[in-house]
Amino acid sequence: EAGVAQSPRYKIIEKRQSVAFWCNPISGHATLYWYQQILGQGPKLLIQFQNNGVVDDSQLPKDRFSAERLKGVDSTLKIQPAKLEDSAVYLCASSPTSAMLGEQYFGPGTRLTVT
Amino acid sequence: DAKTTQPPSMDCAEGRAANLPCNHSTISGNEYVYWYRQIHSQGPQYIIHGLKNNETNEMASLIITEDRKSSTLILPHATLRDTAVYYCIVRVYGGATNKLIFGTGTLLAVQP
Repeated sequence: EAGVAQSPRYKIIEKRQSVAFWCNPISGHATLYWYQQILGQGPKLLIQFQNNGVVDDSQLPKDRFSAERLKGVDSTLKIQPAKLEDSAVYLCASSPTSAMLGEQYFGPGTRLTVT
Repeated sequence: DAKTTQPPSMDCAEGRAANLPCNHSTISGNEYVYWYRQIHSQGPQYIIHGLKNNETNEMASLIITEDRKSSTLILPHATLRDTAVYYCIVRVYGGATNKLIFGTGTLLAVQP
């Protein structure tokens, strides 16, 4: 079974530029998550989708971050404009609809450096 | 969700058991204990979870104290590949958002 795919793996941009990350979850997984992980900290949930609907985006800085999951499969996370403090690893995870257990499957992440 | 406390780092000799403690003194009756780990440059990986009984799978064992205020993750025969940050998380079973709240975890360094 293929895992969660993310691209790009690395991205370097200047502040005030925009950037987009792509995630392809495990086939059949209805729930998709985006996390931000700053160096030395644990991952922090930014947004959770159930199919193509948003379940939780309480931690998403909506003035600059946006995310969509068209057709309930792939997802993109965008930052516009980027700030220095957005430098982090952006992790995508997915879980089946029936995953009451809290078991989530994570991708390798995209490491963003804002200069 | 309840807060957890873990030591920032631990060492373990290769081939020996690694015992990673976690304190969750404010855990509620309907909250489970989950363990994830994150190997360098990879995403977190689910290990095991439990409510009040001890649990074992192919990766590890989870020992939860009778009062449920603390738990220990046991890797029975640690290898160099087990070097990672281990996260202890408590959350409500079947919570609406299935949210995982990660702390800073324990960096386990397995020494040859």
